[in-house]
Amino acid sequence: KAGVTQTPRYLIKTRGQQVTLSCSPISGHRSVSWYQQTPGQGLQFLFEYFSETQRNKGNFPGRFSGRQFSNSRSEMNVSTLELGDSALYLCASSQEREQFFGPGTRLTVL
Amino acid sequence: TQLLEQSPQFLSIQEGENLTVYCNSSSVFSSLQWYRQEPGEGPVLLVTVVTGGEVKKLKRLTFQFGDARKDSSLHITAAQPGDTGLYLCAGTYNFNKFYFGSGTKLNVKP
Repeated sequence: KAGVTQTPRYLIKTRGQQVTLSCSPISGHRSVSWYQQTPGQGLQFLFEYFSETQRNKGNFPGRFSGRQFSNSRSEMNVSTLELGDSALYLCASSQEREQFFGPGTRLTVL
Repeated sequence: TQLLEQSPQFLSIQEGENLTVYCNSSSVFSSLQWYRQEPGEGPVLLVTVVTGGEVKKLKRLTFQFGDARKDSSLHITAAQPGDTGLYLCAGTYNFNKFYFGSGTKLNVKP
């Protein structure tokens, strides 16, 4: 089975722009979660989608949004980028008790 | 405040030494997971523990879930340079949302 894939792997944007990140979960997995990882804050939960519905949400501003499609693929959008949004964005798909991560998208905001 | 506290934060040891990493919480979890992450990559799932008191072994790695399901430990025997990485624990109540510790950065010197 193919693992979780994320595109793009690297992204450079400037302040004020918006960005969309994509995640394809492991085949058969219906739950997709998104995390932000920074050296200072560690892994912070953004949100989780299951069957196209947001089921859980972390404590991030409304600039961070996501969606899930009928094929379980998910996208995450960040609008009006700030310097502090520079981070590794990780997607994880899960089934039953375990979650598996993709390689992440490294976002740099200049 | 992190729901899961990991200690130590940093560990630098010589090849061949043993080490233990701890993951503690005041909350009771349904299950707890351990991951290893290398720079610029996503975390890789090592093990999931579910039952209080459970011990799982993965080659030189031994994982234990506390009797009360509030804490866990990871013991590595005869560490090798390939064990270098960030070790993360994550707990979940309902398998929908996972709470991560801040991680232990391990460096094994040859």
